[in-house]
Amino acid sequence: DIQISQSPSSLSASVGDRVTITCRTSQNIRTYLNWYQHKPGESPKLLVYATSILHTGVLSRFKGSGTGTSFTLTITGLQPEDFATYFCQQTFSDVFTFGGGTTVE
Amino acid sequence: QVQLQESDPGLVKPSQTLSLTCSVSGASIRSSGFLWSWVRQSPGKALEWLGSISYSGTTKYNPSLRDRLSISADPSARQFSLSLTSTSAADTALYFCARVFHDNLMNLDYFDYWGRGTRVTVSS
Repeated sequence: DIQISQSPSSLSASVGDRVTITCRTSQNIRTYLNWYQHKPGESPKLLVYATSILHTGVLSRFKGSGTGTSFTLTITGLQPEDFATYFCQQTFSDVFTFGGGTTVE
Repeated sequence: QVQLQESDPGLVKPSQTLSLTCSVSGASIRSSGFLWSWVRQSPGKALEWLGSISYSGTTKYNPSLRDRLSISADPSARQFSLSLTSTSAADTALYFCARVFHDNLMNLDYFDYWGRGTRVTVSS
């Protein structure tokens, strides 16, 4: 299986901050990388797919970038509703795998 | 609005079979271009994709669970289900169902709608 190392596992931030989360994969996955946001008790929400394409309704303060084995989710101008756990997912291989998650608190 | 909701089996005894159902509203399981998946998160671990079923009934499983896992669908009931046999404490997790947008041409997959998850504990 393709392993994903996501960092940091948690970070402390304030409203208005710029936040960067990184995922590194154990092999080249081109741009088959998705990002999700999850709040406790809620359903996870798709933010970005194919590395950089914002899902419908996702605001432009979220930005995904990268290729190959290194990917980044950047939140510019953190808002109160953005405090959550974020995780990445690769869909390059038949066995989809996820990063360990980053909690923004 | 697409919504998915997992059933709530609660406590399962070791060695028994875990059965979960995902009820879908706002979408048809018969629609091409989508897969219907199960994902779980064990305490302190990353999310784990378990398997998927397509609108035509084709299944794909995580090899780590293939011998114990079965996914089926009942389109008329707008439900798909998971059956996991020979459970152990290692199967204790938060289980999610999700819809997967699947573009065969681009080989593109993303999980566009999820349920809220159902907590399953395997314990005697």
